[in-house]
Amino acid sequence: DSGVTQTPKHLITATGQRVTLRCSPRSGDLSVYWYQQSLDQGLQFLIQYYNGEERAKGNILERFSAQQFPDLHSELNLSSLELGDSALYFCASSVRGEPGQPQHFGDGTRLSIL
Amino acid sequence: QQQVKQSPQSLIVQKGGISIINCAYENTAFDYFPWYQQFPGKGPALLIAIRPDVSEKKEGRFTISFNKSAKQFSLHIMDSQPGDSATYFCAGRPSGNTPLVFGKGTRLSVIA
Repeated sequence: DSGVTQTPKHLITATGQRVTLRCSPRSGDLSVYWYQQSLDQGLQFLIQYYNGEERAKGNILERFSAQQFPDLHSELNLSSLELGDSALYFCASSVRGEPGQPQHFGDGTRLSIL
Repeated sequence: QQQVKQSPQSLIVQKGGISIINCAYENTAFDYFPWYQQFPGKGPALLIAIRPDVSEKKEGRFTISFNKSAKQFSLHIMDSQPGDSATYFCAGRPSGNTPLVFGKGTRLSVIA
């Protein structure tokens, strides 16, 4: 058990809808990362937060947004969903988000767009 | 965008054999190279990591070999076991406070 909790585990919705994925980092970790995993693209970094502030941005679509709250949990919001957004979404956390610190992953949210 | 190229895409190894997964990174000063192991239905978990000032790192049956001049690094799993069957991801971090760049993964199957 990594200590990172993601909810929900599965989400099925339709095109055009909006969903929110939630992540609780390991106790004591200040940094949260979001990744998208699809079969053909592997793990794609979306965005990183550290202590409530955005630290780094990757290949995150404008339809997607995220935030980290004062209690350090994070939410990833996906809107105007398209079929191609179907994927596994992982959250990871690390102590301070510095280079070389290991990232601990949750078990992901499987998003299926019908 | 910085890339890490991983091969093979899939690998089948006999129990007791050696599993070898290779990764290459592009023209940049990567400073940290972790390997992650992912079982079905689970998130990736850090397996072993190396920095470029070291040519080899061993932890139990898992060894990372690093060739800085060739910009290549590899994971060797000695005495492979069916329980090692998983997807393995290599990654690299461009120097500075930048996120990890992952390879596309290798699905390893160890058969008895």
